[in-house]
Amino acid sequence: AQSVTQLDSQVPVFEEAPVELRCNYSSSVSVYLFWYVQYPNQGLQLLLKYLSGSTLVKGINGFEAEFNKSQTSFHLRKPSVHISDTAEYFCAVSPRSGNTPLVFGKGTRLSVIA
Amino acid sequence: DTEVTQTPKHLVMGMTNKKSLKCEQHMGHRAMYWYKQKAKKPPELMFVYSYEKLSINESVPSRFSPECPNSSLLNLHLHALQPEDSALYLCASSQGHLETQYFGPGTRLLVL
Repeated sequence: AQSVTQLDSQVPVFEEAPVELRCNYSSSVSVYLFWYVQYPNQGLQLLLKYLSGSTLVKGINGFEAEFNKSQTSFHLRKPSVHISDTAEYFCAVSPRSGNTPLVFGKGTRLSVIA
Repeated sequence: DTEVTQTPKHLVMGMTNKKSLKCEQHMGHRAMYWYKQKAKKPPELMFVYSYEKLSINESVPSRFSPECPNSSLLNLHLHALQPEDSALYLCASSQGHLETQYFGPGTRLLVL
């Protein structure tokens, strides 16, 4: 079975400051890793994903994440945030084999302050 | 094109009503999903269809009835819902059942 821990439920940050949203996972099998963003009153949008290859993954809206297998982490970063980045961010994992499609973390609320 | 569409956007229904939620994708994906999301919580998986057959039912009450008429469409039929069923219902699709999921905008349901 897989589990995902997002260590911070809320992260306030000033506009144009850098941000890191933390995600750790646990799994007995190899996994794919994802970050989704949910803006207020909307569905989930895929930000980026790690399937294989380079451990540094670049996504939309200037976000990037680094897969660290030894620390079982997949932290999300952005060097300079905008007000429009205010949203809920979900880390998720999917096993490379088996039957459970996707397991989500509890989410991190990013609030960008002007 | 990575678009999943859902209708209606909003729905208010009484506990004795029957209604349906609709989801559509034209990406040729063979897996489709229904999720329920309560406020300030992650999505909870309800059902998975793979190649138009129900492959996962996460112990969802029978007042929720999924249907997959063809590979592009997914419906969720609602009957005799309870107020605690009020939530955002999200549809998603993926190429295969372990592959990247793309989500629709959701239907916000209020049960009175």
